[in-house]
Amino acid sequence: EVQLVESGGGLVQPGGSLRLSCAASGFTFTNYDMSWVRQAPGMGLEWVSYISSSSRATYYADSVRGRFTLSRDNAKNSLYLQMNSLRDEDTAVYYCARELTFGGGMDVWGQGTTVTVSS
Amino acid sequence: QSVLTQPPSVSGAPGQRVTISCTGTSSNIGAGYDVHWYQHLPGTAPKLLIYGNSNRPSGVPDRFSGSKSGTSASLAISGLQAEDEADYYCHAYDMSLSASVFGGGTKLTVL
Repeated sequence: EVQLVESGGGLVQPGGSLRLSCAASGFTFTNYDMSWVRQAPGMGLEWVSYISSSSRATYYADSVRGRFTLSRDNAKNSLYLQMNSLRDEDTAVYYCARELTFGGGMDVWGQGTTVTVSS
Repeated sequence: QSVLTQPPSVSGAPGQRVTISCTGTSSNIGAGYDVHWYQHLPGTAPKLLIYGNSNRPSGVPDRFSGSKSGTSASLAISGLQAEDEADYYCHAYDMSLSASVFGGGTKLTVL
C-alpha cells in the first residue's frame, strides 16, 4: 500500500524549533519529488516547500523561506522539515505529499501532523 | 487573499450538478500551467480528484470532471451525493512567485 506517515508535531514556544518527518512506503521514494502543505485552523491549504527527487532543487513559500529547511534521505525513504524561529502563524496541520511533478499535482498525501506554536 | 480565487461555498441537492470555479491570472493559469483539484474532509488527508486540468486518477468517479479556459478553471460534480460534502481546492504553479499556489477553498453543501 502506498503510504506517507508524518510525525514530529507538537507544542512549541514562539522562537522555538521542531523537526517534522515523513516516512514513505509502498512506492519507489527515490523516483518522486515531494512537498509539504499546511492548513492553519479555519484556513485553507497552503503550500510550504518542495524538494526534487535527487534533492538538487528545493523551493519555499515566502512565509517560511529562511526559517524552514526541507531535506530527504532516499536510503531511509524519509522526508524532513526542519522548522526554526517558529511563529504563532506557523500553527497548522502539516501534510507531506507526493508530487507528480512540481506544480503537477500531488497524488498521495499523509494524514498530517499538528504543530502548535504558543507560549 | 489567495492567488487563485474560488467561491467560498456552493450547494446543491442530491442528484444535481454543481460547478466550482477557480480564477487565476496571467502568472499561473493564464500562463498555461495545469490546474489540479482536491477534495478535503476535515481531519483527513486531501485527495487528488483532477490533475492536468481534466484527468482523473484511478478510482475517482467520472461524476467529477475538470476544465480550463484562459485564466480560469472549473470543477464539475454531477449526480451529487451526500458523501461529496467536503472542501474543494484548486492548485497550480505560479511563475511570478516561483511557487505552488492553492485557491482559498470552496465548501460544498449537499442539501
